[in-house]
Amino acid sequence: AQSVTQLDSQVPVFEEAPVELRCNYSSSVSVYLFWYVQYPNQGLQLLLKYLSGSTLVKGINGFEAEFNKSQTSFHLRKPSVHISDTAEYFCAVEEGGSNYKLTFGKGTLLTVNP
Amino acid sequence: ETGVTQTPRHLVMGMTNKKSLKCEQHLGHNAMYWYKQSAKKPLELMFVYNFKEQTENNSVPSRFSPECPNSSHLFLHLHTLQPEDSALYLCASSQKGRRTNTEAFFGQGTRLTVV
Repeated sequence: AQSVTQLDSQVPVFEEAPVELRCNYSSSVSVYLFWYVQYPNQGLQLLLKYLSGSTLVKGINGFEAEFNKSQTSFHLRKPSVHISDTAEYFCAVEEGGSNYKLTFGKGTLLTVNP
Repeated sequence: ETGVTQTPRHLVMGMTNKKSLKCEQHLGHNAMYWYKQSAKKPLELMFVYNFKEQTENNSVPSRFSPECPNSSHLFLHLHTLQPEDSALYLCASSQKGRRTNTEAFFGQGTRLTVV
């Protein structure tokens, strides 16, 4: 069965600093990987996704993530954060691609301080 | 606008009430989902519908009853809920097929409070 671990439940950073949110997964088959963002009282919005091909994936709002198969990781990065990036970030995995089950991590609350 | 609309956005209900949550997707997708988001817990998949057929029931108590009359609409009927059922309920849709697989698109959720 697939599982997702987000190692940090909270990450406080200062504005314009770089940030990395960590995500590790476990699966016995090939996977699709996703990062979603959730702003207060909102649903989830897709930031980026890895389906196949290049292991470095670029998403919206200046975020990027790198798929590392040997380390089963999919860490999210941004070189310079803004106050508006304050939100909860969720990593998710889907086995096989045509599976209907998305498994989510517990989320990382990113707080950007002035 | 995400293409997935949920109503109501907020709902307060007593333990003896019956209510329904509604979800509508305008994306032409063939799969729809209900997720439960509780504080301090990962999102939990509750139900999956593919072409109106339920393909997944993730051990959800019978006080939650889903209904999918067509591929664009999904309901979650609620009755005799417990306070621990208070959570954000999220609807999502995606396209799954031999040639096209999309990510899940989420609605804004219904914040449910059981009193």
